[in-house]
Amino acid sequence: TQLLEQSPQFLSIQEGENLTVYCNSSSVFSSLQWYRQEPGEGPVLLVTVVTGGEVKKLKRLTFQFGDARKDSSLHITAAQPGDTGLYLCAVVGNTPLVFGKGTRLSVIA
Amino acid sequence: DADVTQTPRNRITKTGKRIMLECSQTKGHDRMYWYRQDPGLGLRLIYYSFDVKDINKGEISDGYSVSRQAQAKFSLSLESAIPNQTALYFCATSDHHGLRQFFGPGTRLTVL
Repeated sequence: TQLLEQSPQFLSIQEGENLTVYCNSSSVFSSLQWYRQEPGEGPVLLVTVVTGGEVKKLKRLTFQFGDARKDSSLHITAAQPGDTGLYLCAVVGNTPLVFGKGTRLSVIA
Repeated sequence: DADVTQTPRNRITKTGKRIMLECSQTKGHDRMYWYRQDPGLGLRLIYYSFDVKDINKGEISDGYSVSRQAQAKFSLSLESAIPNQTALYFCATSDHHGLRQFFGPGTRLTVL
């Protein structure tokens, strides 16, 4: 079983600040997904990264897949209160997705 | 209308009671999953089903059972609920590639 470590576990920042959260493993990923879960709802897929070194942008969110395919990061520029939620990474493989424990982000207006 | 629905959305029950959580989907997906979410522990897989005749245990299946009544329906049962099964339960679906999961809104279960 691949163990996914997400850091930090909690993050509280002011509106307008930038932030980066991380997802790391001791194993190589075939591909990795990032989900966001808002309070009272289920997780929703944000992005899938497949190629080592790949960078994908989704408005103010930038996702990067490490060259060695063992880590990934999510950078948010100019955070807004609507970014508040739990950010989960998940590994895609031959078995059902394996999720990290998540980073809980709170953006204060 | 939501693609993945869960009933009930909230449930409070007592130790020893039998509880069934239901999940329905209109996405036409073959694969369905049940997870529980606890603070600090993330999403943990309980059971999953790749088609109507397929049932597989996940990471934490003890104390739970499932039934795949049809392609669109996947139920989770707690035969004799205990307090440490208090958690948020999510149903999810995916197509046969399994590359993207679609989650229901969750059921908050409290066992007293």
